Amino acid sequence: DTGVSQNPRHKITKRGQNVTFRCDPISEHNRLYWYRQTLGQGPEFLTYFQNEAQLEKSRLLSDRFSAERPKGSFSTLEIQRTEQGDSAMYLCASSLPQGGNNEQFFGPGTRLTVL
Amino acid sequence: KNQVEQSPQSLIILEGKNCTLQCNYTVSPFSNLRWYKQDTGRGPVSLTIMTFSENTKSNGRYTATLDADTKQSSLHITASQLSDSASYICVVSAGYSTLTFGKGTMLLVSP
Repeated sequence: DTGVSQNPRHKITKRGQNVTFRCDPISEHNRLYWYRQTLGQGPEFLTYFQNEAQLEKSRLLSDRFSAERPKGSFSTLEIQRTEQGDSAMYLCASSLPQGGNNEQFFGPGTRLTVL
Repeated sequence: KNQVEQSPQSLIILEGKNCTLQCNYTVSPFSNLRWYKQDTGRGPVSLTIMTFSENTKSNGRYTATLDADTKQSSLHITASQLSDSASYICVVSAGYSTLTFGKGTMLLVSP
């Protein structure tokens, strides 16, 4: 257990539905990252926050995806109008600010299946 | 374009044997290189982190090497155990928040 938690661990939804995932980072970490991982691939960067500010977004993050971190603690990732191609593991990670080695600690992930 | 290539893609070894996984990268500027272990259905867990000046680092039965000149790294697992069965991911940091992930090597340790 790295100290990063994600909920739910598994989500099955029908195409076209909206889903929301939650990530609770390690409490003293002010950086939070979202990744997507498909089978047989490494994680792909989606977006990251420093405190409540969303500082970077990948081109993978289409208009149907939105992430928030309103109080600089937990974060949510929402996918609207889900598509079958959204089926993947969604990973959250947190880290201390740059200055250290920027080691990212990953949560267990949320496995999304879109039927 | 920053890239991390890992080999082999998958590997099966007998319990108790040693193995070495390879990672080649083209990431600039280089900040550090990490190896993560990812059990099936779980998030990655860090094994080692190496900066430019480090060329070897151990964590129990795991030993990582780094050759910054040739931009290569290896992860050596000694006396493998069944619990070592997992995907091993090489990750290179270019500084700030940017991480470039390899696709991983899937290791299966067979009894």
